[in-house]
Amino acid sequence: AQSVTQLGSHVSVSEGALVLLRCNYSSSVPPYLFWYVQYPNQGLQLLLKYTTGATLVKGINGFEAEFKKSETSFHLTKPSAHMSDAAEYFCAVREDKAAGNKLTFGGGTRVLVKP
Amino acid sequence: DGGITQSPKYLFRKEGQNVTLSCEQNLNHDAMYWYRQDPGQGLRLIYYSQIVNDFQKGDIAEGYSVSREKKESFPLTVTSAQKNPTAFYLCASISTVVGNSPLHFGNGTRLTVT
Repeated sequence: AQSVTQLGSHVSVSEGALVLLRCNYSSSVPPYLFWYVQYPNQGLQLLLKYTTGATLVKGINGFEAEFKKSETSFHLTKPSAHMSDAAEYFCAVREDKAAGNKLTFGGGTRVLVKP
Repeated sequence: DGGITQSPKYLFRKEGQNVTLSCEQNLNHDAMYWYRQDPGQGLRLIYYSQIVNDFQKGDIAEGYSVSREKKESFPLTVTSAQKNPTAFYLCASISTVVGNSPLHFGNGTRLTVT
């Protein structure tokens, strides 16, 4: 089974500052990778997904993620944080069909944005 | 618009009672999933179903049961055997046709058992 590690359960940034959320995965084959955002008492909303061959993936709300196969990483960034970015963020890897197409999630990183 | 509907949003039960959480999707997705979310523990897979009338246990299936009689519906029953049922429950579905299709999530049901 695959695993996903998100470094840092909480991140605090100032409004306008860079947001960097780290995600490392374990996979020996090209993975299906995703970033989701969750606002309080809501479901998960897709931010972006990895597309084979791309190294930089753009998502919604100004977020993007860089895929680095050599480092098995898929870190999420946003150049300038906004108050509305305060939420919890999850990195996930999708298993293949034989394993049920399941998504395995990292533990999540809660982002606090300071004015 | 297509999506996943979970109901109710909040559910309260007494200890020892079984309770069923509803999940309906109109996305024509074959596969459906139930996750449990606890503070600081991310999402953990309870059960999943890739096709009607078939389902598999996830990582934390003990104390839960499911059925998949229709493609659109995947209800989850939290039984009295579940030792710590209070949590936020999320239902999801996915298209299995395309490999990098994302999971689509409902808005969750918060279950409180006292």
